[in-house]
Amino acid sequence: EIVMTQSPATLSVSPGDRATLSCRAGQSVRSNLAWFQQKPGQAPRLLIYASSTRATGIPARFSGSVSGTDFTLTISSLQSEDFAIYYCQQYNDWPPLTFGGGTKVEIK
Amino acid sequence: EVQLVQSGAEVKKPGESLKISCKGSGYSFSNHWIGWVRQMPGKGLESMGIIYPGDSDTRYSPSFQGQVTISADKSITTAYLQWSSLKASDTAIYYCARTMTPELVDAFDIWGQGTMVTVSS
Repeated sequence: EIVMTQSPATLSVSPGDRATLSCRAGQSVRSNLAWFQQKPGQAPRLLIYASSTRATGIPARFSGSVSGTDFTLTISSLQSEDFAIYYCQQYNDWPPLTFGGGTKVEIK
Repeated sequence: EVQLVQSGAEVKKPGESLKISCKGSGYSFSNHWIGWVRQMPGKGLESMGIIYPGDSDTRYSPSFQGQVTISADKSITTAYLQWSSLKASDTAIYYCARTMTPELVDAFDIWGQGTMVTVSS
């Protein structure tokens, strides 16, 4: 099973600031990684797939990158609607498809 | 519109059986893998298993193998998750989700609204 480790667990950011979220894979997952956003009481929403491709309808302020087994989700200028929990998930080696533990982005 | 619509909330007692559903519409249901994801109260996302409705090829996450059964009926574009004997620890929200690319296991791009299952004596 590939372990996905997200950091930090909580990120306090002011509106308009940049947020950088990290996700490390326990072994190579190539570029087979997705990022999801989840707001309270809602289902997760796909933001990024294939490490860096934005899903349909996702604003350009969301971007993904990879270096080896380290993945980054960057939100360039946080909007009020971006405060949520973010999860990464690898789909390179399955079962199981594994999620990270999540990063909560909260208002500073 | 592509969507997955899940069955409603359930309240059950320990030891009871349960089957929840996930109906797909607006796309070729047979050709996209469907996954089930558990979210326990206040916790993160856990993948339980996936099924290819076209031929019912099913793969379980090791933690859930033997604990649940995943199935699908492509004739009515519906996937299912069932338990034969519920435990209190099965209390959670269960989501179904579709993989993005036909025939491939990749990112989940469409999610159901979730089904809350409460198991309590």
